Amino acid sequence: AQSVTQLDSQVPVFEEAPVELRCNYSSSVSVYLFWYVQYPNQGLQLLLKYLSGSTLVKGINGFEAEFNKSQTSFHLRKPSVHISDTAEYFCAVTMIISGTYKYIFGTGTRLKVLA
Amino acid sequence: GAGVSQSPRYKVAKRGQDVALRCDPISGHVSLFWYQQALGQGPEFLTYFQNEAQLDKSGLPSDRFFAERPEGSVSTLKIQRTQQEDSAVYLCASSLDQVGETQYFGPGTRLLVL
Repeated sequence: AQSVTQLDSQVPVFEEAPVELRCNYSSSVSVYLFWYVQYPNQGLQLLLKYLSGSTLVKGINGFEAEFNKSQTSFHLRKPSVHISDTAEYFCAVTMIISGTYKYIFGTGTRLKVLA
Repeated sequence: GAGVSQSPRYKVAKRGQDVALRCDPISGHVSLFWYQQALGQGPEFLTYFQNEAQLDKSGLPSDRFFAERPEGSVSTLKIQRTQQEDSAVYLCASSLDQVGETQYFGPGTRLLVL
């Protein structure tokens, strides 16, 4: 079955430190990969996406992610976080199953940036 | 321009009551998606429209859930005879492309069923 796993439910990190949020997926078909951020009481906002081409993808707010097909991973990284990066982050996958697009989200990782 | 809007933002319903949740997508967006987000969970796909056609409703949890987009713009998600397990945030997203490569999300409607 297709699934998305975010291994860490919460990640505390000090301001200006680097961070990596992990995402693994399970799929036997080609996928599109996404990271979204959700601030309190707001909708999801797209950070970055991988559709094809270069496996290193750069997004907004200084975030980047690398698609690793052999490890079925799409980890999100930022070299130096700010207090304002405190939010919930969701990894998502889009794939075609039996001719129909399927949209699957992970359970989220809560990033807490500490002063 | 305006983003995706949803109304109401909050809804409290008594068990057994019918509710209707509205989504106004970004003007011109072809695709529209509904998701259910339970507390502490990620969004779960409910249904998807391309213009007025409902192409996939496999995520609707029961026949109490019904969605429509009659003119290919505004969409309504209706839940009949609400149950406590329906309590969640209902998110709407729209996309300019046909497959939802880039989805723009609304703020959601928080539904609480008592």
